[in-house]
Amino acid sequence: SQQGEEDPQALSIQEGENATMNCSYKTSINNLQWYRQNSGRGLVHLILIRSNEREKHSGRLRVTLDTSKKSSSLLITASRAADTASYFCATEGIIFGKGTRLHILP
Amino acid sequence: DTGVSQDPRHKITKRGQNVTFRCDPISEHNRLYWYRQTLGQGPEFLTYFQNEAQLEKSRLLSDRFSAERPKGSFSTLEIQRTEQGDSAMYLCASSTSFEQYFGPGTRLTVT
Repeated sequence: SQQGEEDPQALSIQEGENATMNCSYKTSINNLQWYRQNSGRGLVHLILIRSNEREKHSGRLRVTLDTSKKSSSLLITASRAADTASYFCATEGIIFGKGTRLHILP
Repeated sequence: DTGVSQDPRHKITKRGQNVTFRCDPISEHNRLYWYRQTLGQGPEFLTYFQNEAQLEKSRLLSDRFSAERPKGSFSTLEIQRTEQGDSAMYLCASSTSFEQYFGPGTRLTVT
């Protein structure tokens, strides 16, 4: 079963713009992780946020977590063509959602 | 290359046959995971090892699936009496903590 559900399912933006994708989940968690998957590099871990954290940054990535709403968001700033990929949230790092397919337009 | 490797990369089999996949994790990683992924979906957790101990197994995993990790090194995933619904990408990942490193996957096609 898949606990996380990403929104939107697909997103197309111009290069340089910011991309925001959301994840909702159903049960209490200890941590939530975001992964990226593209045909070239497979699945890659991006960032982990623990249940007692509200926001975390890593380079151009910003993740928020709202445990009261059971939701998380991933913001990618100043998008690049190489950011084109599917992005998944994973509760406890192992229960993945269906993903958001992000396409960066030149 | 010191990443996670999987073998074979592609497998075509007839319904009813048994198949076995192998995963070689990053050498110092004590945790090993198996997932299944179908088109348009996220990876679906199958099972998890810490060293040689299988600590967690998805309830969705039928009795036709079995995994081993002898000596806490490489792991094998066997599917017995394959069905067309088993067609998917089977992914292996390893870690020492939270960050998992994924292999390239084995794509299984059951005809």
